[in-house]
Amino acid sequence: DAGVIQSPRHEVTEMGQEVTLRCKPISGHDYLFWYRQTMMRGLELLIYFNNNVPIDDSGMPEDRFSAKMPNASFSTLKIQPSEPRDSAVYFCASSLDVLVYGYTFGSGTRLTVV
Amino acid sequence: GESVGLHLPTLSVQEGDNSIINCAYSNSASDYFIWYKQESGKGPQFIIDIRSNMDKRQGQRVTVLLNKTVKHLSLQIAATQPGDSAVYFCAENSGGSNYKLTFGKGTLLTVNP
Repeated sequence: DAGVIQSPRHEVTEMGQEVTLRCKPISGHDYLFWYRQTMMRGLELLIYFNNNVPIDDSGMPEDRFSAKMPNASFSTLKIQPSEPRDSAVYFCASSLDVLVYGYTFGSGTRLTVV
Repeated sequence: GESVGLHLPTLSVQEGDNSIINCAYSNSASDYFIWYKQESGKGPQFIIDIRSNMDKRQGQRVTVLLNKTVKHLSLQIAATQPGDSAVYFCAENSGGSNYKLTFGKGTLLTVNP
């Protein structure tokens, strides 16, 4: 099993540009989570999906952020327009059963907005 | 002014010693807890979990203790090795139909050879 796959690993973009982060969950995992990690705020949940349906997006900072899961094997997190304060490491995680196995995290995407 | 970064608690131990990492959780309704290990440049990795109907659970070289009275969780690592150097997070789930994990701030463990 290749685990949770995120791309790109690193992204540097200019303020105002659109950024799209990608995630492929582990096959068979019904839950998919997007987290953001910063030194200031630690690990914060942005949104999670169950069976491709967004369940809780209360952590999405503002309308500039959007997430989709068009099928069971792919999700995107888009920031448009990006701002320097969006600089962080973004993690995707998936789970078969959160209350039995917890999450499996990807390696993250380090985003720098200049 | 400049933002102040998160000040991570740190624990420095000698190789071979036992380590104890502590976590105070926030929600008295939380009924499932997990410890994660995060090495530099990687995503958090599941170490061990415990449910609220237990007060202790053991794994390979690791033990998690739960004290619900004071909302405290600890991770004990026996015979700490240099490869254990990482940031350790506790995470809690408040149960019901909620499948979110809320993460603590983390503790940086450094193992000196």
